[in-house]
Amino acid sequence: DAKTTQPPSMDCAEGRAANLPCNHSTISGNEYVYWYRQIHSQGPQYIIHGLKNNETNEMASLIITEDRKSSTLILPHATLRDTAVYYCIVRPGGSNYKLTFGKGTLLTVNP
Amino acid sequence: DTAVSQTPKYLVTQMGNDKSIKCEQNLGHDTMYWYKQDSKKFLKIMFSYNNKELIINETVPNRFSPKSPDKAHLNLHINSLELGDSAVYFCASSLTSGRNSGELFFGEGSRLTVL
Repeated sequence: DAKTTQPPSMDCAEGRAANLPCNHSTISGNEYVYWYRQIHSQGPQYIIHGLKNNETNEMASLIITEDRKSSTLILPHATLRDTAVYYCIVRPGGSNYKLTFGKGTLLTVNP
Repeated sequence: DTAVSQTPKYLVTQMGNDKSIKCEQNLGHDTMYWYKQDSKKFLKIMFSYNNKELIINETVPNRFSPKSPDKAHLNLHINSLELGDSAVYFCASSLTSGRNSGELFFGEGSRLTVL
């Protein structure tokens, strides 16, 4: 029952920006867009989330389209350590809601 | 200081045995979770507890019994282990409410191998 669609894999050159797309055309008004990543053999790591405005933190930027049907996670200067599976998830705000992971995008950063 | 810690990190056991995985968080969160990641790398939620109360219980065999003695701990006990239980189990925690309630902090995982 994944509510998001992501490409299965992407490549990026080290030092360049990595732009990871996500489609969530059925997103509801009260649902946030979350991004997580999982580096091999580690636990998932929260990156960023947003509702409708663009967001930026020390890890990444999140660009959400005006109609909220898609978003892009931007890693401004990808490093080899950013190689991971990136998950785009939509979830209502508030308590008691599941965070449901899909298949994600395997981002490989090449030297 | 590890925020969410799980023990053991690796567990190898025989079919039919009973085993437990422990989880502790020192973030002051009041919601904790167990996720299972199988060999195909799908990450699925199993349980969620809020202040020691079960709030999410996915379709999990009743051989799996979570126990939360206090809001900083959520243990997972598995009875009569089966081959299909082999997976990596992740514990996580979060705040219950507010804008950051979907920001989960995960442990490093406990790899269970059933022989």
